[in-house]
Amino acid sequence: AQSVAQPEDQVNVAEGNPLTVKCTYSVSGNPYLFWYVQYPNRGLQFLLKYITGDNLVKGSYGFEAEFNKSQTSFHLKKPSALVSDSALYFCAVRDNRKGAGNNRKLIWGLGTSLAVNP
Amino acid sequence: NAGVTQTPKFRVLKTGQSMTLLCAQDMNHEYMYWYRQDPGMGLRLIHYSVGEGTTAKGEVPDGYNVSRLKKQNFLLGLESAAPSQTSVYFCASARDTQYFGPGTRLTVL
Repeated sequence: AQSVAQPEDQVNVAEGNPLTVKCTYSVSGNPYLFWYVQYPNRGLQFLLKYITGDNLVKGSYGFEAEFNKSQTSFHLKKPSALVSDSALYFCAVRDNRKGAGNNRKLIWGLGTSLAVNP
Repeated sequence: NAGVTQTPKFRVLKTGQSMTLLCAQDMNHEYMYWYRQDPGMGLRLIHYSVGEGTTAKGEVPDGYNVSRLKKQNFLLGLESAAPSQTSVYFCASARDTQYFGPGTRLTVL
């Protein structure tokens, strides 16, 4: 079955330190990969996506993500964390194979809560 | 552009009552989605639409109905609310990337 895993429910990091939020997926073919962020009591905001090309994708708020096809991973990274980065982060994947349906549906991870400590 | 808007923001219902949640988007997107978000369960797709006049079931469609009479609007209806439908509901629209509304917090007593 197709799935997206975010193996850490919570990540804690000190302000100024680099952060990584992990995502692995089990989707065949060449899926599109997405990261979203959700601040408390808000909707999800799109951060970045990988479609093709360079394995390092840059997005909003200084975030970037590294695609690794052999490990089927798409980890979110930031060189220097801010307290304001504390939020819930979701990884999502879209199956683009023929027969998957032309519906732009996403397969979602369960989210990782990031806490950046001052 | 307002993007994706949802009304109402909050609602409290009694068991058995009905209500409609409205999602509107001004980005001319073909695709629209309704999700519910519950603690520890991530986002679950309720229903979706690939264009005006079309709807399809997602993962958890039971107890909900939807309509997409106009391209910019996607309505989610609860005919007879149950406490299990207490949740935060999000709408999203997409051309290629999904963009989300601010959510509706629904409590069913």
